[in-house]
Amino acid sequence: GIQVEQSPPDLILQEGANSTLRCNFSDSVNNLQWFHQNPWGQLINLFYIPSGTKQNGRLSATTVATERYSLLYISSSQTTDSGVYFCAAHEESSYKLIFGSGTRLLVRP
Amino acid sequence: SQTIHQWPATLVQPVGSPLSLECTVEGTSNPNLYWYRQAAGRGLQLLFYSVGIGQISSEVPQNLSASRPQDRQFILSSKKLLLSDSGFYLCAWSVVYGYTFGSGTRLTVV
Repeated sequence: GIQVEQSPPDLILQEGANSTLRCNFSDSVNNLQWFHQNPWGQLINLFYIPSGTKQNGRLSATTVATERYSLLYISSSQTTDSGVYFCAAHEESSYKLIFGSGTRLLVRP
Repeated sequence: SQTIHQWPATLVQPVGSPLSLECTVEGTSNPNLYWYRQAAGRGLQLLFYSVGIGQISSEVPQNLSASRPQDRQFILSSKKLLLSDSGFYLCAWSVVYGYTFGSGTRLTVV
């Protein structure tokens, strides 16, 4: 099966700073997604990004499928960005969405 | 609009007691449904998924079972809870690639 690895495991930022989170995945995947889990446990889908680049406000994501990695950029971070960021991917021809271990982000005021 | 309901939000159960967690989806038909567990720490482990009524795939041998009695209803059960069943349980649905998660049930087995 596929493996999904994220780095760094933990990240502390001062409000206003920028950051890049990385996700490496093994083998072929047919969709790659980023999620944010807030401190109350709610998981929100940020991006569905099997390839290319997408932007949504201060967040953007890039996936280079041929090199098996994806990056999530957070610009001008805010305290509300705190939480855990997960990337997840499907095995080809599978309904199973496999999650990485996450990056725990703390943004300090 | 599509919504997902998961209850209860928190649950404290004694070891050996039964469990039933329910998840229902509104606003969509024939969704894929999933149960995940998040133990202390951060990882999400896929427990079960279902692509249709009565169709359940189990990912991890364990003390739990799942059922899908209706198209938009997914139930997680156990006959006798173990301490190791404690965790945060999340239900999710998807149609094609988009995933929506419920608000989760925090289960503590004592």
